Amino acid sequence: GNSVTQMEGPVTLSEEAFLTINCTYTATGYPSLFWYVQYPGEGLQLLLKATKADDKGSNKGFEATYRKETTSFHLEKGSVQVSDSAVYFCALSARTGTASKLTFGTGTRLQVTL
Amino acid sequence: DSGVTQTPKHLITATGQRVTLRCSPRSGDLSVYWYQQSLDQGLQFLIQYYNGEERAKGNILERFSAQQFPDLHSELNLSSLELGDSALYFCASSKGFDGNTIYFGEGSWLTVV
Repeated sequence: GNSVTQMEGPVTLSEEAFLTINCTYTATGYPSLFWYVQYPGEGLQLLLKATKADDKGSNKGFEATYRKETTSFHLEKGSVQVSDSAVYFCALSARTGTASKLTFGTGTRLQVTL
Repeated sequence: DSGVTQTPKHLITATGQRVTLRCSPRSGDLSVYWYQQSLDQGLQFLIQYYNGEERAKGNILERFSAQQFPDLHSELNLSSLELGDSALYFCASSKGFDGNTIYFGEGSWLTVV
């Protein structure tokens, strides 16, 4: 079946540090890949997505590249801010016939300090 | 604001009771998904509807049921509630059924006491 593996957190960084959160996946076919973010006490927000190999998704300074050869979709940001503190979820969407569902990783908590 | 509306935002109920969670999808979206987020299970897919028809089922208990109405809103019914059902229940929607871009509501916090 489909699965997503994320690096375990929490990840603690100082403001302006470089961020990488690793994500690898297992899927049949050609999934779409996503990063969602959950700020404290809030719901899930779509951060970025990539729908085919070598696509790069980007938003709010975050970016991730769909790497089919390494089945990875690592999230990066060059300079994190305190306001980026949240839980980040990597996910894939795989279509089966006329249905689809998102499969999520376990989430990685990011804590950014001054 | 994702455009997906969920009610209620919070509810507390006793074991053995039944609750209904409601979801209004984004305007124009035909697919509705339900997910459960709990501390021990993470984010689990429950069920998907597309234009009123059930399309996919995940880890949804037999005590739980859902439906999508002609106006495309959806309800998730949870019955014979147990302490372990305490979780954040998300509704999400997308235009089609291919799941290419799925937007989530803010969730309904259910606490079973």
